Amino acid sequence: SQQGEEDPQALSIQEGENATMNCSYKTSINNLQWYRQNSGRGLVHLILIRSNEREKHSGRLRVTLDTSKKSSSLLITASRAADTASYFCATDASVRNNDMRFGAGTRLTVKP
Amino acid sequence: EPEVTQTPSHQVTQMGQEVILRCVPISNHLYFYWYRQILGQKVEFLVSFYNNEISEKSEIFDDQFSVERPDGSNFTLKIRSTKLEDSAMYFCASSEAWRTSTQYFGPGTRLLVL
Repeated sequence: SQQGEEDPQALSIQEGENATMNCSYKTSINNLQWYRQNSGRGLVHLILIRSNEREKHSGRLRVTLDTSKKSSSLLITASRAADTASYFCATDASVRNNDMRFGAGTRLTVKP
Repeated sequence: EPEVTQTPSHQVTQMGQEVILRCVPISNHLYFYWYRQILGQKVEFLVSFYNNEISEKSEIFDDQFSVERPDGSNFTLKIRSTKLEDSAMYFCASSEAWRTSTQYFGPGTRLLVL
């Protein structure tokens, strides 16, 4: 399976600190996407990074991709209580599949 | 900003009943997907749909499931005879293009089978 697997499973930090979440996957990908999910709610797309990209920024988010290690990281800088959510990475396959495979997610808690 | 919408937000049904979950993808998108998330577990792919036919489906998507695009805007998931283990949050998603395109998710339908 080429699904992403995130670590840590849970992360608790203070407001203002940075949060780093990691994702590993098993096979070649076309792109990797990070999503956020508030408890019991839908998935919100954060960033898509393509296999030929190494780093991408969006506001306080920074995503890196290392295809040689088959891993990605999501950094949230200057975290806020509102960042409290589960964060998932999702990978597609490099062949004809167009479905995405999700990891189990990292549950981030930002304490005010 | 355009978004994917889903109805109903919650559905309670008896085991063995048929349910239809509805989605309205983003209007210029061509690819449509259904995923499900059992409580406390990871999001799982069910099926993708393009050009009025299924392009991929997972092992979860058995003969009890079907999808349809009955008109130019709706995309539906039907579960023919629900089982207790079908209880989950069902997410619809759509994308402009295939592999290199962001998939945008709807808010989900929470299905409870009693």
